Amino acid sequence: EDKVVQSPLSLVVHEGDTVTLNCSYEVTNFRSLLWYKQEKKAPTFLFMLTSSGIEKKSGRLSSILDKKELSSILNITATQTGDSAIYLCAIYNFNKFYFGSGTKLNVKP
Amino acid sequence: GAGVSQSPSNKVTEKGKDVELRCDPISGHTALYWYRQSLGQGLEFLIYFQGNSAPDKSGLPSDRFSAERTGGSVSTLTIQRTQQEDSAVYLCASHRAASVYGYTFGSGTRLTVV
Repeated sequence: EDKVVQSPLSLVVHEGDTVTLNCSYEVTNFRSLLWYKQEKKAPTFLFMLTSSGIEKKSGRLSSILDKKELSSILNITATQTGDSAIYLCAIYNFNKFYFGSGTKLNVKP
Repeated sequence: GAGVSQSPSNKVTEKGKDVELRCDPISGHTALYWYRQSLGQGLEFLIYFQGNSAPDKSGLPSDRFSAERTGGSVSTLTIQRTQQEDSAVYLCASHRAASVYGYTFGSGTRLTVV
């Protein structure tokens, strides 16, 4: 059965902390792994990863894929209250998207 | 249009009433998904349409939920005899077949059952 598992389910940190969010998957015919941030209704795209070991970076956010371990991490350094959101991981397998249940991040001042 | 359009943006209904939620995908996008997101939770997959293939309905939580897609374009999600636990944001997303690029979410419908 295809599945995407994210951990932790929720996380509370203080501004300035660094957080690491995890995504592991079991999906046949893997093509891409995507990270989204959801603050309001609709998720917004962060990263798409297709190759192992190549870090994608955008400001304080970075992500890397490990195809051998079937996992990815999303790092956020120097967290800010504006980073509070649900972070979603999704796998695309040439046919369909599979989403994890998300990690709810709460950054306190 | 340029994006995925959902209507209404907000809907308040009484318990036991039926509701219809509409999704207009981006023109040419053959794949369409419905998701549900309850307060503070991740996305829950409901149903998936791909071209003329039979839809994947494996995520529909009960037989009160149904969806159809007319002419390979507009989709309607219908919830019959709504219950309070149906209250959630219902999101629609679409993309071109066999392509991860351009996977786009609509802005969602917030459904409140009172």
